[in-house]
Amino acid sequence: DAKTTQPTSMDCAEGRAANLPCNHSTISGNEYVYWYRQIHSQGPQYIIHGLKNNETNEMASLIITEDRKSSTLILPHATLRDTAVYYCIVRVATGTASKLTFGTGTRLQVTL
Amino acid sequence: EAGVTQSPTHLIKTRGQQATLRCSPISGHTSVYWYQQALGLGLQFLLWYDEGEERNRGNFPPRFSGRQFPNYSSELNVNALELEDSALYLCASSGEGAPYNEQFFGPGTRLTVL
Repeated sequence: DAKTTQPTSMDCAEGRAANLPCNHSTISGNEYVYWYRQIHSQGPQYIIHGLKNNETNEMASLIITEDRKSSTLILPHATLRDTAVYYCIVRVATGTASKLTFGTGTRLQVTL
Repeated sequence: EAGVTQSPTHLIKTRGQQATLRCSPISGHTSVYWYQQALGLGLQFLLWYDEGEERNRGNFPPRFSGRQFPNYSSELNVNALELEDSALYLCASSGEGAPYNEQFFGPGTRLTVL
């Protein structure tokens, strides 16, 4: 699985958009970008994934650059409950390499 | 729809004992993954079971083992417990309904080794 680089921590004011960047310059053509988050002491929660097109769901939007070497997770209106560690993971979607390789993630602190 | 469940929530053991952790996947999911999250070490992949067979294993000693039952639930066994085995053990499931292999995690079992 390709390695990812994320900032260690970020702050965001409640109600504002939180933009979390991720670099994955060695991503392969068949690898997807997945985002998970982990609220303190809970199991990680799947957020969104994408291959090359931008994606949006009820939780977030995922913007992937045209060269696929980086992406941004956008939480459009951050709330205090979005305070968590956010993990960007690059991996193939199927096959034997199905494990998730978690890096250190970005600790997002949403403040009043 | 019920999510991934794990039991027990907390488990306290002493060095040298054995621990058994259980996981029930989301209905319809055939793959179960185990991860360890030790303090300061992040989430580490332990084991992957699919259709009753071990498919992949992380860099852990053989005293970490498990199995998957015909109903796709799974057990993680840790033998000869050591102090550094103290961690949050997370189970995730994947399968039908998750075509891109999204994994859905349970709340975890916190194992404390004294």
